[in-house]
Amino acid sequence: NAGVTQTPKFQVLKTGQSMTLQCAQDMNHEYMSWYRQDPGMGLRLIHYSVGAGITDQGEVPNGYNVSRSTTEDFPLRLLSAAPSQTSVYFCASSYSLMSAGAAYEQYFGPGTRLTVT
Amino acid sequence: AQTVTQSQPEMSVQEAETVTLSCTYDTSESDYYLFWYKQPPSRQMILVIRQEAYKQQNATENRFSVNFQKAAKSFSLKISDSQLGDAAMYFCASVGGGSNYKLTFGKGTLLTVNP
Repeated sequence: NAGVTQTPKFQVLKTGQSMTLQCAQDMNHEYMSWYRQDPGMGLRLIHYSVGAGITDQGEVPNGYNVSRSTTEDFPLRLLSAAPSQTSVYFCASSYSLMSAGAAYEQYFGPGTRLTVT
Repeated sequence: AQTVTQSQPEMSVQEAETVTLSCTYDTSESDYYLFWYKQPPSRQMILVIRQEAYKQQNATENRFSVNFQKAAKSFSLKISDSQLGDAAMYFCASVGGGSNYKLTFGKGTLLTVNP
């Protein structure tokens, strides 16, 4: 299994440009999520999905769109990049976060470092 | 809403000694779950240990153990016999039960291991 893959690893955008960060997993996980990591802020949830066709907002959703047309893929779209979106982005997946009294591990991708100038 | 607080931005420990990283949380959920994740310089997020809130017994994983104090809403991580490879950023995280699928992270504690 490749696990959770993210592309690209690095990206530089100009203000106003749009782009899509790709995320894919081959573990048949139901739950997928996107986080951004900023210095001193920990990881903050942007959007998440509990299955194909179902998405919901996290803590910091503004400026980002997601869709989940397949179980495997969960792309994150930046509509009009802003310098405030300079960050490291992580995609993660799991069977669930919790079910039947058990807490499940989230598997994280390697991250995408995005710089917006 | 859940909050997770890590009050120690940085900690250091001598190799082979023991260190405890602090975490407090707040949640209105009666059913919730707690995690510690490790992020080494490679940036990869790695699960260290997990605790189901309904379990009274503290979780342990080899040299890693937690002190879960439910009434105090405290979830500290103890690392015994610290190794150079333990040097990393450590994040505490929580998720509520029911239909709450939002994993909330603390801001992290940077652990340095001195040889």
